[in-house]
Amino acid sequence: DIQMTQSPSSLSASVGDRVTITCRASQSIRTYLNWYQQKPGEGPNLLIYGASSLQSGVPSRFSGSGSGTDFTLTISSLQPEDFATYYCQQSYSTPLTFGGGTKVEIK
Amino acid sequence: QLQLQESGPGLVKPSETLSLTCTVSNDSISSSSYYWGWIRQPPGEGLDWIGSVYYSGSTYYNPSLKSRVTISVDTSKNQVSLNLTSVTAADTAVYYCVEGYYYFQQCGQGTLVTVSS
Repeated sequence: DIQMTQSPSSLSASVGDRVTITCRASQSIRTYLNWYQQKPGEGPNLLIYGASSLQSGVPSRFSGSGSGTDFTLTISSLQPEDFATYYCQQSYSTPLTFGGGTKVEIK
Repeated sequence: QLQLQESGPGLVKPSETLSLTCTVSNDSISSSSYYWGWIRQPPGEGLDWIGSVYYSGSTYYNPSLKSRVTISVDTSKNQVSLNLTSVTAADTAVYYCVEGYYYFQQCGQGTLVTVSS
């Protein structure tokens, strides 16, 4: 199985801050990397697919980059509705696997 | 926009079978090249992929669950089903129905299933 490691596991930030979350795969997954946002009591919501493609309806302050084993999710200017937990997920091979999550909290 | 709604028992006894249904609205399960699947999230933990089914019926399962899981589609009812046999406390989780295979574009609200006697 491909292991996905996210860092940090949590972070505190203020509205307007630039936030970066990292995801590392245990082997190359090319650009088969997706990012989700999850708020309490809700299912995961797709933000980015194929490492850098923005899902329809997702604000442009979200962006993704990377290839191979190292990937980044960036929120350019954190908004109040962005406080949530973020997960990466690889779709290079089955079983599909997720990172452990990064909880973004209010500073 | 697609809507997915999970339903099923919230409490299952150890060693019994967990059975959930996902009802899909606003499109037909078999009208496009849809993949459907299930993911789960133990309380306070991360997300795990259980498996997926193509609208034609082809299935793909997580090897860690493959011997216990069955995912199927019922086109007459526009539903996707999950059966997980021989459950233990480790199967306690919120179960989500999802649309998509490589990535999940739609997700239900989830249903909590507790395994306990």
